Amino acid sequence: AQSVTQPDIHITVSEGASLELRCNYSYGATPYLFWYVQSPGQGLQLLLKYFSGDTLVQGIKGFEAEFKRSQSSFNLRKPSVHWSDAAEYFCAVGAGTASKLTFGTGTRLQVTL
Amino acid sequence: DVKVTQSSRYLVKRTGEKVFLECVQDMDHENMFWYRQDPGLGLRLIYFSYDVKMKEKGDIPEGYSVSREKKERFSLILESASTNQTSMYLCASDTNTGELFFGEGSRLTVL
Repeated sequence: AQSVTQPDIHITVSEGASLELRCNYSYGATPYLFWYVQSPGQGLQLLLKYFSGDTLVQGIKGFEAEFKRSQSSFNLRKPSVHWSDAAEYFCAVGAGTASKLTFGTGTRLQVTL
Repeated sequence: DVKVTQSSRYLVKRTGEKVFLECVQDMDHENMFWYRQDPGLGLRLIYFSYDVKMKEKGDIPEGYSVSREKKERFSLILESASTNQTSMYLCASDTNTGELFFGEGSRLTVL
């Protein structure tokens, strides 16, 4: 069975600083990988996804993520964080079917002004 | 704009009550899902459905059942609510792309 580990429960960055959120997955074959964001009181929204091809994927809101098979990682990055990026971020993996996802435990991002 | 609507944002129920959580999507999606979200545990899949009247258990189905009589509607049922089912419940739908569209959630408190 697949699994996802997000080692950072909570991260604080200053507005304008760069951001990297870590995600490690476990799955025997090539996984489908996703990052979702949840703003306070809201459902989740898809930021980006990787199915195959270019290992650097671009998403919405200026986010990108890089799939590294050798490290079983799919880290999320943003070069310059905005205060509105404060939210909880979830990494997810899909196997077999893209839809039945296994989510990580989430990383809560706090942005200081 | 795509929309997944959960009928109740906040519910308070008593132990032993039967609870219905309703979810409707307007995107004609085949797949619908119910997740439970708890702090430190992320999202865990309770049940999902690939088509009308079809359902499959997720990772934590115990204590829950579901109903999908129409394509746009997916209901989660707690036959006899217990305090350990106090949680945030999220409904989602998609068309096999992995891009799940989520509702805003239903926060259930069982006293």
